[in-house]
Amino acid sequence: ETGVTQSPTHLIKTRGQQVTLRCSSQSGHNTVSWYQQALGQGPQFIFQYYREEENGRGNFPPRFSGLQFPNYSSELNVNALELDDSALYLCASSWDRGSDGYTFGSGTRLTVV
Amino acid sequence: QQQVKQSPQSLIVQKGGISIINCAYENTAFDYFPWYQQFPGKGPALLIAIRPDVSEKKEGRFTISFNKSAKQFSLHIMDSQPGDSATYFCAASREGNTPLVFGKGTRLSVIA
Repeated sequence: ETGVTQSPTHLIKTRGQQVTLRCSSQSGHNTVSWYQQALGQGPQFIFQYYREEENGRGNFPPRFSGLQFPNYSSELNVNALELDDSALYLCASSWDRGSDGYTFGSGTRLTVV
Repeated sequence: QQQVKQSPQSLIVQKGGISIINCAYENTAFDYFPWYQQFPGKGPALLIAIRPDVSEKKEGRFTISFNKSAKQFSLHIMDSQPGDSATYFCAASREGNTPLVFGKGTRLSVIA
């Protein structure tokens, strides 16, 4: 059984650029949730994808968007990067939209300069 | 609006001592309360979780105590070890199928 894999592990981007982060879900899981963890803070929910459709969204602007593919892997896209977007982005996979069976990846550390 | 408040922000405990971290929640619809452990450079990992039908749950050295009327729950780590040094997050959700709302975390250092 494989865990959740995220890529890349680290990324440096310039303000105004666009970025794509990737997540491979755990075997058997069909739901992917994305969280943003700012330094010294708890993770904050961005959105969830279930059966290739967005299934819920937190308090994040539309420039944060995502995709889920038939194999349940997922992408997080952020347009027009701002300095405050610098954070650890975590992907969690689970079964049937559940949050009680989350498996988190190790995250992507995004730095916007 | 912070729906889950966690304290203390940081904690230093002697090896063999008891570590206690507290959380309070506001939304009475929450009914799933997990604790996560996060090491540097890693994602959070589920440590232990409780639902409000019980007041305490124990797994090895880790115990959750839950007080529904006070809307509070806490994590107790017995016989704390240096390997327990990590950041701990409490969280909450409704019916285990809404997004988790996390506390801000407690940085635990266990010193020998």
